[in-house]
Amino acid sequence: EVQLVESGGGLVQPGGSLRLSCAASGFFVSSNYMSWVRQAPGKGLEWVSLIYSGGNKFSSDSVKGRFTISRDNSRNTLYLQMNSLTPEDTAVYYCARGVGWNGRVHFDYWGQGALVTVSS
Amino acid sequence: DIVLTQSPDSLAVSLGERATISCKSRQSIFDSSNNRDYLAWYQQRPGQPPRLLIYWASTRESGVPDRFSGSGSGTDFTLTISSLQAEDVAVYYCHQYYGTPYTFGQGTRLEIK
Repeated sequence: EVQLVESGGGLVQPGGSLRLSCAASGFFVSSNYMSWVRQAPGKGLEWVSLIYSGGNKFSSDSVKGRFTISRDNSRNTLYLQMNSLTPEDTAVYYCARGVGWNGRVHFDYWGQGALVTVSS
Repeated sequence: DIVLTQSPDSLAVSLGERATISCKSRQSIFDSSNNRDYLAWYQQRPGQPPRLLIYWASTRESGVPDRFSGSGSGTDFTLTISSLQAEDVAVYYCHQYYGTPYTFGQGTRLEIK
């Protein structure tokens, strides 16, 4: 059974850093596209970052240079390192598995999400 | 960026009746080289993560009830629920994956009338 479990969320001050983890089971993160999607309180979905099975990475302009997506194949875990956080980054962060090719992927499995709150 | 606009923002439908949600893209998300539209639909129930319903505009994900269907091509797409059930109360999002940055519609809230 495919499962994605996020952890690492919490309260952080503006300008601070946080690392989210997404532990996968039932498949290998190294063989799939993996992504982070966030949802601000009461708002819609916003794509954040994508990592290809081959290692290429893409991020939205709103987080480029501040957030880094990565994975640990030995732990079968996806990460999102978030630096220089601002209150606008407050959201539930979902990890999701991508299905498709040539970078054109939809998301077939989603985790339950991790809440990140940026506030002083 | 490819902007997706859903309509309506909210919708109230009686149980057993049809619900229709529109998603319009500012540019075509159809690839003529493989005849694919890169449009997906997700359902998000309160307090839950999104759930994939439809991909490639009209292909139903495994396990999704057949009352859910997707149609359209190019820039205009529709999600139809043929006979609304109580468990269909949710927010529905369209998603284009033609290219990064991936984008989502603003969401349509579906309620029971």
